[in-house]
Amino acid sequence: DTGVSQDPRHKITKRGQNVTFRCDPISEHNRLYWYRQTLGQGPEFLTYFQNEAQLEKSRLLSDRFSAERPKGSFSTLEIQRTEQGDSAMYLCASSLGGSNEQFFGPGTRLTVL
Amino acid sequence: AQKVTQAQTEISVVEKEDVTLDCVYETRDTTYYLFWYKQPPSGELVFLIRRNSFDEQNEISGRYSWNFQKSTSSFNFTITASQVVDSAVYFCALTDNLDSSYKLIFGSGTRLLVRP
Repeated sequence: DTGVSQDPRHKITKRGQNVTFRCDPISEHNRLYWYRQTLGQGPEFLTYFQNEAQLEKSRLLSDRFSAERPKGSFSTLEIQRTEQGDSAMYLCASSLGGSNEQFFGPGTRLTVL
Repeated sequence: AQKVTQAQTEISVVEKEDVTLDCVYETRDTTYYLFWYKQPPSGELVFLIRRNSFDEQNEISGRYSWNFQKSTSSFNFTITASQVVDSAVYFCALTDNLDSSYKLIFGSGTRLLVRP
């Protein structure tokens, strides 16, 4: 499968715990995006990378969130001290260049109890 | 500011009916890109189409067609002879050259239910 993959697909955690998600983009894509989607809404932008550089972060990304993309390949999104409001689907997408279509992974559904 | 409005929250049709999903967008840029994505119950967003602001030709792909009208800032999506497998949430999205991130601004989606 040469599409975008995400791991895990589901994560249930208790409030206050740390969680980390992984995204593997399509191999030749230089841009990688993270979005968050809550029930009944469209995805909202969190942050993006061009190669290994994180170039923009949304105001939605509080200081409890951190993302990395070492060596411009896979990316991780970590949430520290999770809160119930963090419960959502976290989507990763990759693209070749800026204005081209973004291809999405299956998402990681986070539930914070 | 960029904005995408999908006023239809939910549409229900009987199989083989035609259905049109509306999308209205706002942007200050003259160069922008519009997208439609499908999100089936499995949850994965599936890319359907990308159009740039300089190409107003309507596009047809099988049972799917798109009507792009700059005069009304609309990019509507029609499914002809709908099928049960078309049941999903459909999102319209926008990005433009004013924003170097090219992040997608999504509408709130239209849930389409096709009944047998």
